[in-house]
Amino acid sequence: QQQVKQSPQSLIVQKGGISIINCAYENTAFDYFPWYQQFPGKGPALLIAIRPDVSEKKEGRFTISFNKSAKQFSLHIMDSQPGDSATYFCAVHTGGFKTIFGAGTRLFVKA
Amino acid sequence: DTAVSQTPKYLVTQMGNDKSIKCEQNLGHDTMYWYKQDSKKFLKIMFSYNNKELIINETVPNRFSPKSPDKAHLNLHINSLELGDSAVYFCASSPPGDYGYTFGSGTRLTVV
Repeated sequence: QQQVKQSPQSLIVQKGGISIINCAYENTAFDYFPWYQQFPGKGPALLIAIRPDVSEKKEGRFTISFNKSAKQFSLHIMDSQPGDSATYFCAVHTGGFKTIFGAGTRLFVKA
Repeated sequence: DTAVSQTPKYLVTQMGNDKSIKCEQNLGHDTMYWYKQDSKKFLKIMFSYNNKELIINETVPNRFSPKSPDKAHLNLHINSLELGDSAVYFCASSPPGDYGYTFGSGTRLTVV
C-alpha cells in the first residue's frame, strides 16, 4: 500500500529553469510534509518542510506548495542550477515515530 | 564534527554470515531510526527507537536485531545474511517534537 505517490520519476531541466516535483498522499492524519535531497553516496538531507496549516513555504530558491483538499504537495526549485542535480524525496510523517518516503525523483539540471 | 555517523561505510560479506552496523549521533536527539534503501533508491523504515525503547518494528525479519545501549547509539545486527539483504542502510535521528530527520551517510552492504 503506497501511502505517498511521487512524480515524475526523473526530470531534466535547463539551467535557470523551474523544477517541479509532485507528491500525493492518502491519509489526512499526516501532520508533517518534508522534502529531502540526496546526492550520490550521501544520506538524504532535509531540504524544506511544511505543516498542513500552511499552504506555502519558501526558503531561498525552494518552495513547497501544499493543497490540503487535494491531498497534494509539490516542490518548486526556482532558477535551477547544475548543483541541484540530485534525487529528491517527498515524505509524510504519519504520527508516532514514522516517516514514509516517496519513491524519489532524479533531477538533472543541464548547464 | 559528524552529526550522525555510521560504521562501516562499506561491508562485503558472504551469505550466511552475521554482521553488525554501528550508528552514533552527537545531536542530543531522543529518537533514532534505521532505514533500508534498495537498488531503486526506495527508502523503507525498519525500526524506530525513542529513548532507547523500540517503538516501531516494520515487519522486518527477525534476523535483524537492533540494539540501543543509550540514546546516542543504535546498532543493527544481522544474522544469517541473504542476497536480498544487499542494500544501503541508513541511520537517522530526530529531536523531540520535530519530525525532520538527520541521516548518516549510509552503510552499503553487499552479500555475495
